Amino acid sequence: KQEVTQIPAALSVPEGENLVLNCSFTDSAIYNLQWFRQDPGKGLTSLLLIQSSQREQTSGRLNASLDKSSGRSTLYIAASQPGDSATYLCAGLSGGSYIPTFGRGTSLIVHP
Amino acid sequence: DVKVTQSSRYLVKRTGEKVFLECVQDMDHENMFWYRQDPGLGLRLIYFSYDVKMKEKGDIPEGYSVSREKKERFSLILESASTNQTSMYLCASSSLRLAGGPNEQFFGPGTRLTVL
Repeated sequence: KQEVTQIPAALSVPEGENLVLNCSFTDSAIYNLQWFRQDPGKGLTSLLLIQSSQREQTSGRLNASLDKSSGRSTLYIAASQPGDSATYLCAGLSGGSYIPTFGRGTSLIVHP
Repeated sequence: DVKVTQSSRYLVKRTGEKVFLECVQDMDHENMFWYRQDPGLGLRLIYFSYDVKMKEKGDIPEGYSVSREKKERFSLILESASTNQTSMYLCASSSLRLAGGPNEQFFGPGTRLTVL
């Protein structure tokens, strides 16, 4: 069964820093890896999805990578801003499953 | 623009009441999901549906049932609400897994349910 881990659980950085959020998964037969953002009291917003045939995806200041052999995905946020403060979750979908496995998330605070 | 909507953002109910949470998606997705989210416990799957009238239990189905009579609508039912069902409820949808397709999952805004 797929297990997904996100470390650290919380992160606080000053504005302007480039930062990396980590996501580890146990099943290398992964179909896709999706990154979400969640603001307090709100639903999850899809940020980036990487399919198993891809190595990375980019959207604006965000870049997500996928390394199946090491069981890792990273979300890189360039030039962080206070508006990036939120919880970031990753979810891995294994081959043969319809149901993604979620990590617990990393709570990010970017202070001015 | 893809959209998943939930019938209420906030709901307050009494213990023992029957509660209906509605979710509608406009993307013609086959898969629909109900999760609950609690601090320290993460996202937990309650029920999953991969087709009209089809459903599968998730990790925590006790005390809940679901209904999917139409492809776009997936309802979560609390037969007799209890205080331990106070939580944030999130609905999601995704397309069928086709070879090469992304199978991206989309979420609704959530319903914050309080049971008194």
